[in-house]
Amino acid sequence: NAGVTQTPKFQVLKTGQSMTLQCAQDMNHNSMYWYRQDPGMGLRLIYYSASEGTTDKGEVPNGYNVSRLNKREFSLRLESAAPSQTSVYFCASSGGTGNQPQHFGDGTRLSIL
Amino acid sequence: GENVEQHPSTLSVQEGDSAVIKCTYSDSASNYFPWYKQELGKRPQLIIDIRSNVGEKKDQRIAVTLNKTAKHFSLHITETQPEDSAVYFCAATASGGSYIPTFGRGTSLIVHP
Repeated sequence: NAGVTQTPKFQVLKTGQSMTLQCAQDMNHNSMYWYRQDPGMGLRLIYYSASEGTTDKGEVPNGYNVSRLNKREFSLRLESAAPSQTSVYFCASSGGTGNQPQHFGDGTRLSIL
Repeated sequence: GENVEQHPSTLSVQEGDSAVIKCTYSDSASNYFPWYKQELGKRPQLIIDIRSNVGEKKDQRIAVTLNKTAKHFSLHITETQPEDSAVYFCAATASGGSYIPTFGRGTSLIVHP
């Protein structure tokens, strides 16, 4: 099993450009999440999807949109990238019952100039 | 909402010493408490978790204790080794809601050979 797969692994954008981060899991998990990680800030939740067909805002949703394409895939879109969105982005999935661990992808390192 | 405080932010020990990281949480409905280890440049990975129906859980050199009355839980690592050097995150999840974990800000553990 691959677990959680994120693409791309690295990306450099110019301010104002758009891009979509892709995430797919093969564990038949109901819940999927997008986090950003900045130095000293831990993991901050951007958006999550408790189940296929639903999405909800997390702690820091401004400037992002998401799509739960199907049970396996959950994408994160930056419509107009800003330097403040330079970060490491992690996708995660879990069984979704509240007492199951999260499985993380390897992350996307995004720099916005 | 839930609030998780994690201390210390940095912990430096000599190889062979024990290390203890503490977390407190605010929501008495929280009942699942995982710990994740994140090595430099890698993804967070679950190392141990505890559910509210037990007070302690061990797995070789690591253990987690939970005090529901005081709303705190701790990670204990004995006989530390250089490969234990990493950032450790605690989290708390409440049942009956959206099952979104709240993370602590992380502890950077440095084990000196």
